[in-house]
Amino acid sequence: SQQGEEDPQALSIQEGENATMNCSYKTSINNLQWYRQNSGRGLVHLILIRSNEREKHSGRLRVTLDTSKKSSSLLITASRAADTASYFCATFSSGSARQLTFGSGTQLTVLP
Amino acid sequence: DTEVTQTPKHLVMGMTNKKSLKCEQHMGHRAMYWYKQKAKKPPELMFVYSYEKLSINESVPSRFSPECPNSSLLNLHLHALQPEDSALYLCASSQGGRLPGPIKGPYNSPLHFGNGTRLTVT
Repeated sequence: SQQGEEDPQALSIQEGENATMNCSYKTSINNLQWYRQNSGRGLVHLILIRSNEREKHSGRLRVTLDTSKKSSSLLITASRAADTASYFCATFSSGSARQLTFGSGTQLTVLP
Repeated sequence: DTEVTQTPKHLVMGMTNKKSLKCEQHMGHRAMYWYKQKAKKPPELMFVYSYEKLSINESVPSRFSPECPNSSLLNLHLHALQPEDSALYLCASSQGGRLPGPIKGPYNSPLHFGNGTRLTVT
């Protein structure tokens, strides 16, 4: 079953603009992770934020986590055409389910 | 290129065929996973192996049979598949796979994915 829902489902922006993707989830989590998937390829881990963290940065990526609202956002600053991909949030439940469950994903298109 | 290698990249098989998907990692990871991904959908977990033992089976039909010969290898044996089984099959690995049974700590490490096998069942 899907733990997370992401919005928007699709996002199209110009190169240089910022892209923001949101993820909501339903149950208590231990951590939340963001992955990128280029078309026809495997997923690449971008960043992991633990439930006791509120914000994390990695290069042009900024992730926030609000456990009270059960939501997270991924901000990509100064986007590039190479950032075009699908982005998935994934949650690791703090309950008995010991698996990483992926959200529905956001398809980001960065136009040159 | 990823550190998780999947072969073959593409596979076309008939409904009466038997085939196998292979996955290999040399990062010393002790947890390995099979995911199934349909077009424009997120990956769906099929199986998890921890220390070469099957830890999670997400109610996958028996026509899919996983095998973990050693800590570096993961196979998925396919038999009598249906056309709706056509999908991208992704293998992944992570550190910190714990023994099967009640878990007192999570698998909280990132997953490393291979590039998948594109399977078409005709």
